[in-house]
Amino acid sequence: AQSVTQPDIHITVSEGASLELRCNYSYGATPYLFWYVQSPGQGLQLLLKYFSGDTLVQGIKGFEAEFKRSQSSFNLRKPSVHWSDAAEYFCAVVLILTGGGNKLTFGTGTQLKVEL
Amino acid sequence: SQTIHQWPATLVQPVGSPLSLECTVEGTSNPNLYWYRQAAGRGLQLLFYSVGIGQISSEVPQNLSASRPQDRQFFLSSKKLLLSDSGFYLCAWSSYGAAKNQPQHFGDGTRLSIL
Repeated sequence: AQSVTQPDIHITVSEGASLELRCNYSYGATPYLFWYVQSPGQGLQLLLKYFSGDTLVQGIKGFEAEFKRSQSSFNLRKPSVHWSDAAEYFCAVVLILTGGGNKLTFGTGTQLKVEL
Repeated sequence: SQTIHQWPATLVQPVGSPLSLECTVEGTSNPNLYWYRQAAGRGLQLLFYSVGIGQISSEVPQNLSASRPQDRQFFLSSKKLLLSDSGFYLCAWSSYGAAKNQPQHFGDGTRLSIL
């Protein structure tokens, strides 16, 4: 069965520092991967997605992620973190459901704290 | 543009009381609809999904049920709430079809506290 692991439960970085959030997946075929961000008390916002092609994908808010098949990873990065980036970040892999629709299997999330 | 609305935003209910959460999508037709639960300190768990009116699939056995009486309306219900039903409930939609490249778009959630 497909699964997603986010090894870091909490990460703290200083504003202006670079950021990398780790995501490892387990999937039998080529995975379709997403990163979402959740601000406190809010729903999830899509940051970026990987389907195929270029292994480095660009997203909103200055985020990017790199797909590495050899490492089964899809890590999220940002060169310079802003205080407003403090939130919880979820990596997810897609599974097609019988009868239609798709299912997202989420990691347990990484809580990002930004120190001023 | 497409929008998704959930209400109420916050709900406090006693154990044993009924529940009804509503989710409405606008700006798209025949969406796939989903209910997720996010428990404290845990990831998101898919509870139900629907690919059409009256079509509901359950991912996990539980005290909850879902219904889709209209194309863009999705309900989450319970006849008798349990303490373990507390959590943050999120509704989501994706475009019709089963393509893997269709992301899900989430509402702002309902915070449910059971007393």
